Amino acid sequence: NAGVMQNPRHLVRRRGQEARLRCSPMKGHSHVYWYRQLPEEGLKFMVYLQKENIIDESGMPKERFSAEFPKEGPSILRIQQVVRGDSAAYFCASSRADEQYFGPGTRLTVT
Amino acid sequence: AQSVTQLGSHVSVSEGALVLLRCNYSSSVPPYLFWYVQYPNQGLQLLLKYTTGATLVKGINGFEAEFKKSETSFHLTKPSAHMSDAAEYFCAVSLASGYSTLTFGKGTMLLVSP
Repeated sequence: NAGVMQNPRHLVRRRGQEARLRCSPMKGHSHVYWYRQLPEEGLKFMVYLQKENIIDESGMPKERFSAEFPKEGPSILRIQQVVRGDSAAYFCASSRADEQYFGPGTRLTVT
Repeated sequence: AQSVTQLGSHVSVSEGALVLLRCNYSSSVPPYLFWYVQYPNQGLQLLLKYTTGATLVKGINGFEAEFKKSETSFHLTKPSAHMSDAAEYFCAVSLASGYSTLTFGKGTMLLVSP
């Protein structure tokens, strides 16, 4: 049973470009969470989605960030017009109950 | 609102020594508590979790943690450190309702010397 998959593992973007991060949950999991990890910080919750629904986006910056989890295909975290402060590791987790399984993360570098 | 405080951003032990990583939480409702380990450039792996029942929880790789409600603590221990335990450890809390977001501490880097 494959774990949570994220791609790309590393992403470099110039300021002003768009970043798209993908997350494929574990088989049978319909709940996806996105977290961001800044240097010297723990993980911070961003958004919680079920298929075709955003359940909680209280941790998502109000501008430039969006997330979706379509009926078919992976969950996508989209960051428009990236800035240097967006450089971080972005982790996706999926769950079926109270335990979340994490992917390996996407490390975004904004130059 | 929930919060987690991990005391000590870095903890150093010798191989074979006791490992103690401290975690205190704040929660207005009964929490679920978790410890995760992160190796360099990898994702998080669940070590153990407390949901209900026995307050002493055993996890993988010889780690265990005890939920102490009166002290709002969930400290992680291992009797004898191994070199392979060197990693960053995160304590996290969620609502005791399933399908709940995790609130993480800032992490503790465990260094193990020969």
